[in-house]
Amino acid sequence: DTGVSQDPRHKITKRGQNVTFRCDPISEHNRLYWYRQTLGQGPEFLTYFQNEAQLEKSRLLSDRFSAERPKGSFSTLEIQRTEQGDSAMYLCASSYTGSQPQHFGDGTRLSIL
Amino acid sequence: GQQLNQSPQSMFIQEGEDVSMNCTSSSIFNTWLWYKQDPGEGPVLLIALYKAGELTSNGRLTAQFGITRKDSFLNISASIPSDVGIYFCAGQSFQGGGADGLTFGKGTHLIIQP
Repeated sequence: DTGVSQDPRHKITKRGQNVTFRCDPISEHNRLYWYRQTLGQGPEFLTYFQNEAQLEKSRLLSDRFSAERPKGSFSTLEIQRTEQGDSAMYLCASSYTGSQPQHFGDGTRLSIL
Repeated sequence: GQQLNQSPQSMFIQEGEDVSMNCTSSSIFNTWLWYKQDPGEGPVLLIALYKAGELTSNGRLTAQFGITRKDSFLNISASIPSDVGIYFCAGQSFQGGGADGLTFGKGTHLIIQP
């Protein structure tokens, strides 16, 4: 059983560019979550999906951010017009149900030049 | 965003010593979890707690869900070099606001001197 997989592991881009990250959850996990982690801080919740439905968005998720999970399996997180403050580790987690523990991937580290 | 109060921020201990860290919150949580994160990797689940007062062990690790549902602690006995890393507590609530995302502490950085 493979764990949560995230791609790419690292992304370096210039300010103003768009970036897209992908997350493949653990097979048969219905819940998929996105978090952002900056240096010296714990992860902060961004949004989550129950199958293909996006059920909750944090206030941290500005309108430049969009997430999708079209077929209820993998998910993508897109950031448009990136800013310096978007530099962070973006973590994906999945769980079988909302009350089951969340298991994390190794994240995508985004650096904005 | 909201974060839990986790302490201590860092610990410098000798190999073989026991370690204790805790988390407190002003809000009630239905679930408490403890994760460990190594550099460049995602958090790895150590222990999940679902019931107030619950005491759970995983090898040398023991964690408890506080009676008030506003706190939790993690103990590590007889520390070894591979215990080095950052330990995070996380709380989860299931209120009507849909707060199913985890709320994390800022982490306890454990450093072990051989």
